[in-house]
Amino acid sequence: GAGVSQSPSNKVTEKGKDVELRCDPISGHTALYWYRQSLGQGLEFLIYFQGNSAPDKSGLPSDRFSAERTGGSVSTLTIQRTQQEDSAVYLCASSFGIRGSGNTIYFGEGSWLTVV
Amino acid sequence: GQNIDQPTEMTATEGAIVQINCTYQTSGFNGLFWYQQHAGEAPTFLSYNVLDGLEEKGRFSSFLSRSKGYSYLLLKELQMKDSASYLCAVSVPYGGSQGNLIFGKGTKLSVKP
Repeated sequence: GAGVSQSPSNKVTEKGKDVELRCDPISGHTALYWYRQSLGQGLEFLIYFQGNSAPDKSGLPSDRFSAERTGGSVSTLTIQRTQQEDSAVYLCASSFGIRGSGNTIYFGEGSWLTVV
Repeated sequence: GQNIDQPTEMTATEGAIVQINCTYQTSGFNGLFWYQQHAGEAPTFLSYNVLDGLEEKGRFSSFLSRSKGYSYLLLKELQMKDSASYLCAVSVPYGGSQGNLIFGKGTKLSVKP
């Protein structure tokens, strides 16, 4: 597609429920990133995928968080047993090439998660 | 560790010029990005510097000094629509749990009439 596409745009869920957030990166981009941004805070790195390689999960805050990337394209971020502190906007981004190479990363519009 | 510093907030007047500074201390350096983020929206790419000097792009310019670990974003002829947060981010070879694109916390710019 023309840009990074994320869904849902907004999600309100009850504490303890699981949620899935989807990201469709820019066509041809091999690198895919998930970031989290809490209200008024900076971007917090969560996970990085490069092609079909094993992802770098070092930024995931707890084992309730997991992510998959199928076929080197679409990615799903899953949060199990959601907590109120999980409320944030979850941003997906993609780029050409490998991370750290200086390639520009492009962000999606984000999925705004509210846990009540 | 990796550290990016930028002012939290700035205020400027419509039509004026504003300079947003960013200093960084990182393990390695593969370039510095500036992103603009309007409230409630995703960050959008503004500029990329990997060599020392000034990159000009319309009303926006970005400067880099690698020896000083310093960059600034210069906005000229400010418009009300420039009110946004400006994120400084450094690309590094190995970022660990912070990832390879280290973001500052952003500078919230308010443009007043």
